[in-house]
Amino acid sequence: GAGVSQSPRYKVAKRGQDVALRCDPISGHVSLFWYQQALGQGPEFLTYFQNEAQLDKSGLPSDRFFAERPEGSVSTLKIQRTQQEDSAVYLCASSPTSGVGGELFFGEGSRLTVL
Amino acid sequence: DQQVKQNSPSLSVQEGRISILNCDYTNSMFDYFLWYKKYPAEGPTFLISISSIKDKNEDGRFTVFLNKSAKHLSLHIVPSQPGDSAVYFCAAKELTGGGNKLTFGTGTQLKVEL
Repeated sequence: GAGVSQSPRYKVAKRGQDVALRCDPISGHVSLFWYQQALGQGPEFLTYFQNEAQLDKSGLPSDRFFAERPEGSVSTLKIQRTQQEDSAVYLCASSPTSGVGGELFFGEGSRLTVL
Repeated sequence: DQQVKQNSPSLSVQEGRISILNCDYTNSMFDYFLWYKKYPAEGPTFLISISSIKDKNEDGRFTVFLNKSAKHLSLHIVPSQPGDSAVYFCAAKELTGGGNKLTFGTGTQLKVEL
């Protein structure tokens, strides 16, 4: 498809399980972002990649969260030992530029529910 | 602390009338502002943006106004259409030194009624 693709769309995990969320950005997009959107809130920044380099991970809430983009294309957000407070929609966005003015194109999100 | 605030969680407007969505920010380093629109079960989609060197930007039925001294921006939609019913997020960034990340408000649910 032409847009940002995320999988799985829905994930239910038991507390303590590890989860991996995948993002397939628009082909050729240099920049990739992960955001977390809790219920009733706006998206909150987690981390940013420019190609394969993770330039900003200041938004990751704890060391249980880890993101990678090893070949500068597909990215995976991994959450270890999930907690109930991790329940949220995880949004991936990509941008064709590395500059700061570029518009972000968002995927549909992965909704994580931790029981 | 919420650096971008949308104090109205919802707004209801009649079709054909003007919709005005408001946004306030506290970080004086923000110099680029965007509005995103979000339908249920979809990701946010970019609508319109404005740089801090301007006070108005217009694109068809959508106009964004920026009052930098008041740290306030607004999105005007005129005329409003039923298809405009969605959640609207205001977002802001620092063009230099901000690390290329957007800070979002909590959103305003707009309902355009027939």
